[in-house]
Amino acid sequence: AQKITQTQPGMFVQEKEAVTLDCTYDTSDPSYGLFWYKQPSSGEMIFLIYQGSYDQQNATEGRYSLNFQKARKSANLVISASQLGDSAMYFCAMREFDFNKFYFGSGTKLNVKP
Amino acid sequence: DAGVIQSPRHEVTEMGQEVTLRCKPISGHDYLFWYRQTMMRGLELLIYFNNNVPIDDSGMPEDRFSAKMPNASFSTLKIQPSEPRDSAVYFCASSPNDRRSGNQPQHFGDGTRLSIL
Repeated sequence: AQKITQTQPGMFVQEKEAVTLDCTYDTSDPSYGLFWYKQPSSGEMIFLIYQGSYDQQNATEGRYSLNFQKARKSANLVISASQLGDSAMYFCAMREFDFNKFYFGSGTKLNVKP
Repeated sequence: DAGVIQSPRHEVTEMGQEVTLRCKPISGHDYLFWYRQTMMRGLELLIYFNNNVPIDDSGMPEDRFSAKMPNASFSTLKIQPSEPRDSAVYFCASSPNDRRSGNQPQHFGDGTRLSIL
């Protein structure tokens, strides 16, 4: 089974609007971390936000927030007030603490329209 | 602080040649990961090391690929002989070992764009 599933290959959003990128995960490890990375067209992988499996509150970093629903095993990324510079590929990833192995999803390509 | 450093940034070579990709992880990071990224297959984990020891190489596509980490500050990924289907962007990433607070992301290098003609 896929460890990380991102079901939206591509998405469009109007500038200044909010957008949600979906991510579901699969693990039997009680301790894990969830990450989102941004990959712009220049190719580098940029870490955006982290959520731990024991965190009670949803993580936020500036315009990024993570909608963590543990029972549903989902960790959706919410970008508020989209900007043109947010156009990029976004990857959801999970780290299982037992082996420190990271799993990445297939990514969602976000296009922000002016 | 310096990030993960990969070299070369670009490599173009002919089929059958040996290719060596290099990576210097962030100082103090215990884990090092090699990934391959293509349009068709996305981001694939090839191998990762803990304290210079390979932990999981199940992602290495075939015997033509090998990776080493002779010390904490250097790793290589070698392809011999190279084939056109090996063309991809190869990323190296490192992360610290902190089981108490796992909020340590992987830090990626800028990648090596490899083209095999």
